[in-house]
Order: sequence, then C-alpha cells, then structure tokens
Amino acid sequence: KQEVTQIPAALSVPEGENLVLNCSFTDSAIYNLQWFRQDPGKGLTSLLLIQSSQREQTSGRLNASLDKSSGRSTLYIAASQPGDSATYLCAVHTDKLIFGTGTRLQVFP
Amino acid sequence: KAGVTQTPRYLIKTRGQQVTLSCSPISGHRSVSWYQQTPGQGLQFLFEYFSETQRNKGNFPGRFSGRQFSNSRSEMNVSTLELGDSALYLCASSRLRGATYNEQFFGPGTRLTVL
Repeated sequence: KQEVTQIPAALSVPEGENLVLNCSFTDSAIYNLQWFRQDPGKGLTSLLLIQSSQREQTSGRLNASLDKSSGRSTLYIAASQPGDSATYLCAVHTDKLIFGTGTRLQVFP
Repeated sequence: KAGVTQTPRYLIKTRGQQVTLSCSPISGHRSVSWYQQTPGQGLQFLFEYFSETQRNKGNFPGRFSGRQFSNSRSEMNVSTLELGDSALYLCASSRLRGATYNEQFFGPGTRLTVL
C-alpha cells in the first residue's frame, strides 16, 4: 500500500530564507508527482508536476526534484516571502492521487 | 480560461439528510475526481469519472455516489448524512486519465457541516 510522508509537519522561518520541504513515498511505481499549496479553508493550487521520467521541475522561485528509486521528492523554495505561508502538499499519481500529510509553512517578516 | 468551479461553497445539513455537490471542470477536461479532506484523515480519494463512467473508486461506503454528465460536469451525492461526513469536499479535473502527463487542477471545495 502506497504511503506518502512529509517532513517537517510544520516550519516557521524568517523572510528571505531558502527552504527545503521533503516528501517520501513507499512504492516507486508512480506515474508522476505533484506539489500543491493550500491556503486555509481553500482548495489546492498546483505548483509543479514532475513526470516519472524527469528528475526536476522549476517554476519561478520553486524547484522540485524527484528520485523514484529512493522514493523521495523535495520542494525547494528560494528567498521565502510572507505570501508563501500556506500548507504544502505532495501527491503521487498512481491510479489516483495519494497525498502526504502536508507541511504547514509560516514565513514571518 | 475559467478554473474548476464547485457549488455550493458551504452547506449545513443535519444527520440523516442527503446532499448533492456539483463540480464543473476546466473546459476541455474530461476527467473529474472527488476527494474528501478532514483534519484527521487528510485528503482521501472518493471516485473518478471519465466520459460519464466511473473509472475508479476509493474506500468509502455506498452512501457516497456520483455521476458525470455529457458536458463533463459532475455531481456527488451523500445520503443519510453522518456527523463524520463533515469535511471539505474537493473536486479535481484533468484533461486525460491514466499514466500520461496529467496535471490535476482543483476547485475551491465545498465545506459540508453535518449537525
């Protein structure tokens, strides 16, 4: 059974720091991996999708990497801003999305 | 291009009632999936519809059902509501299904409260 874990569960940092959020999964038989952000009480916003054949994807200050063999993905956020405060979720694509438990990020001025 | 829309945004029901939630996918997207989000269980897959057919189903009781129309809009129904059904219900749409490059786009959700 596929299980997805995210570490840390919560993170509070000052503005300007570079951050690394971690996602691990137990079964490497995935199609893709997708990172989302969720603001309180809101839906999910897609950040990055990494296909299983790719190693990384970049969008602005965000960079996500994928290592299927080790069952890991990382989301790197450069020069964090207060507007980055949200919960970040990773999800592996099998025949459905299987979500991690999320990392709640707070960036303070 | 309009995103995924869900209606209503908020619902309050009492135990034993039934409820119908609606989801309109992004134009051109044919796959619609439903997820339940609760503080205790996180995000869990309910079911997926593609071309008006249920293609996949999660581990939820038969009280949870859905359907998809020819215009790809989807509805989800929960009968005989229980307190534990209180959750944020999220709908996701994608262009394709299966193992292809298949980015999922989520709507704002429907917050269901069962009293």
